[in-house]
Amino acid sequence: AQKVTQAQTEISVVEKEDVTLDCVYETRDTTYYLFWYKQPPSGELVFLIRRNSFDEQNEISGRYSWNFQKSTSSFNFTITASQVVDSAVYFCALSASANSKLTFGKGITLSVRP
Amino acid sequence: GAGVSQTPSNKVTEKGKYVELRCDPISGHTALYWYRQSLGQGPEFLIYFQGTGAADDSGLPNDRFFAVRPEGSVSTLKIQRTERGDSAVYLCASSLRAGRGGTEAFFGQGTRLTVV
Repeated sequence: AQKVTQAQTEISVVEKEDVTLDCVYETRDTTYYLFWYKQPPSGELVFLIRRNSFDEQNEISGRYSWNFQKSTSSFNFTITASQVVDSAVYFCALSASANSKLTFGKGITLSVRP
Repeated sequence: GAGVSQTPSNKVTEKGKYVELRCDPISGHTALYWYRQSLGQGPEFLIYFQGTGAADDSGLPNDRFFAVRPEGSVSTLKIQRTERGDSAVYLCASSLRAGRGGTEAFFGQGTRLTVV
């Protein structure tokens, strides 16, 4: 069985602060994929990033970066210099290589204050 | 269309009634997924289609829930004898292909179902 745990429920920061969203996953699959999605108040889930289990290279894309560590089953997501428009619910998700259905965490509500 | 379209955006129905929720995926996407999101929770998988066939319906909660995709494009999620516990946002997503875990899924804005 797959499981995604987002221990943080709500985070509030002031604009321009950096913020890291934590994600811990459980899976028995040797190959799997990890995702971060953003859900703004409009409700539509927006794809942000994807990593596969055989590539632990961490990357930066604009203000977004992520830290994937198989040894601790963690896939943390960082927003640098946060902006008010970053306010949303952020979901970490996991899928197995055999199919594409996603297992989501409960989400983290991020509030960025001006 | 440009994105995944779901109709209606909101649906209020009485307990015991039948409802249909529609999803129009991105043109050319062969895989289509339905998820259900309760308040304060992450989306939960219901069913996914590869083409016209349901490749995995393991997330459907019971036999009151059924989904079809007769022509491999538009899909309809059908709920019979609705119960108050069915109230949630029903999300549809599509992707270019299924069967490979790294496929990026694009989501619609959802249908908010309220059973009174």
